[in-house]
Amino acid sequence: DVKVTQSSRYLVKRTGEKVFLECVQDMDHENMFWYRQDPGLGLRLIYFSYDVKMKEKGDIPEGYSVSREKKERFSLILESASTNQTSMYLCASTRTGRNQPQHFGDGTRLSIL
Amino acid sequence: GQNIDQPTEMTATEGAIVQINCTYQTSGFNGLFWYQQHAGEAPTFLSYNVLDGLEEKGRFSSFLSRSKGYSYLLLKELQMKDSASYLCAVRDGIKAAGNKLTFGGGTRVLVKP
Repeated sequence: DVKVTQSSRYLVKRTGEKVFLECVQDMDHENMFWYRQDPGLGLRLIYFSYDVKMKEKGDIPEGYSVSREKKERFSLILESASTNQTSMYLCASTRTGRNQPQHFGDGTRLSIL
Repeated sequence: GQNIDQPTEMTATEGAIVQINCTYQTSGFNGLFWYQQHAGEAPTFLSYNVLDGLEEKGRFSSFLSRSKGYSYLLLKELQMKDSASYLCAVRDGIKAAGNKLTFGGGTRVLVKP
């Protein structure tokens, strides 16, 4: 079974802090994704990566950056956290191939005070 | 751009059938996925359609009509554990790199005894 592990289940940070969310997958997947999920808005893609050191903006990249130094790890960085970044953050990974589903981690509920 | 619509909420009785519709208008199309998400948990993959027609998997079936930009997920013999959100997601056909998906807002299904 694919395992996608997010470093924290719950996280509380203060406005202006630099925040790191980590995600690790154990199935050698090429592609990794970061989403946020908010009530009424569904899952929205922040950034994704299709290879080591490669990254592409999703639909809502403002205020975020990412890092993929190793194939198994994809980090989401909030450069200067703001209250409107309070959300559930979900990481996913998938093998390349059109019928390959994305596999999700359990999510990190991030609160910015 | 991508636009994916599904109803916000549906209620059904244990043992009954529920059909969750999903309509999409996308700049390209390379497959449609359905996911199930229980409250506080990660989305899990249910089904994939890329050709027109019905795909059956036990109590769950998914249908696709590409010409109409329409899909539905059919849940038969409803059980209490089927109470969850169901997410429709379309894979972009324009940019295949990364297996990028666009998600609808999700449909919350409540199964009553």
